[in-house]
Amino acid sequence: QVQLVESGGGVVQPGRSLRLSCAASGFAFISSAMHWVRQAPGKGLEWVAVISYDGTNKYYADSVKGRFTVSRDNSKNTLYLQMNSLRTEDTAVYSCARAADFDFLTAFDYWGQGTLVTVSS
Amino acid sequence: DIQMTQSPSSLSASVGDRVTITCRASQSISNYLSWYQQKPGKAPKLLIYAASSLQGGVPSRFSGSGSGTDFTLTISSLQPEDFATYYCQLNYRTPLTFGGGTKVEIK
Repeated sequence: QVQLVESGGGVVQPGRSLRLSCAASGFAFISSAMHWVRQAPGKGLEWVAVISYDGTNKYYADSVKGRFTVSRDNSKNTLYLQMNSLRTEDTAVYSCARAADFDFLTAFDYWGQGTLVTVSS
Repeated sequence: DIQMTQSPSSLSASVGDRVTITCRASQSISNYLSWYQQKPGKAPKLLIYAASSLQGGVPSRFSGSGSGTDFTLTISSLQPEDFATYYCQLNYRTPLTFGGGTKVEIK
C-alpha cells in the first residue's frame, strides 16, 4: 500500500535551517509529482511547494520562495524540503502528498502524517 | 494569485441532515477543484477531484458540483463519521491554494 513517512522535524531557532525528508513506498515514486503542505497549529492547510516527477520543475508558495528548496532522490524514493532562514511563522506540521496524476496540477491522493517543525528562540 | 473562499467557516448539523459547503474562486478555474476531509490529528483525505469526480472508496453520500468560480460539496445524509473539517483546493495553477476550511460539528 502507499506510504509516505515524513521525518526531520524538531525545534529550531529563528534564522536556522532544517531539512525534512519524506520516504515513499508502495507506488512508482519516479512517476509521481510530489508536494509539501503545512498546517500551523489550529490553522488551515497551506500549500508549500511541488516538484515534478523528474525534479526538473519546482514551484513554491510566495511565503517560502527563496528560503525553502524542494528536491527528490528517485533512486531512494525520497522527497526533501530544505528550509533555510526559518521564521517563527514557519511553525507547522509539514506533510508530503502525492499528486494523483502524472501532472502536478491535480488533486493530492495520498498524504503522510506529517512532522512538526517548531521555530522558537 | 487566485483566492479560494469557503463558506461557512463552521456549521452545526444533525445525523441525517443534508449539508452543503461552498467554495468560490476569485477567477475562473474551470473544474480544477478538489475537496478534502480532515479529522483531528489525521492527514487530509481526498473526497472529490475535478470538481465532481468521487475518489475511489469514498461513500456516495458525498458529491461535488460546480464549474468556473462556484463550487459545492454536498453530504446527502450526514453520518457520525462525517464530523470533520472540509477543505477545497484549486488545482488550476500554482499556488495550489486551499480554502479556509469548514468545520462540521454535531448539533
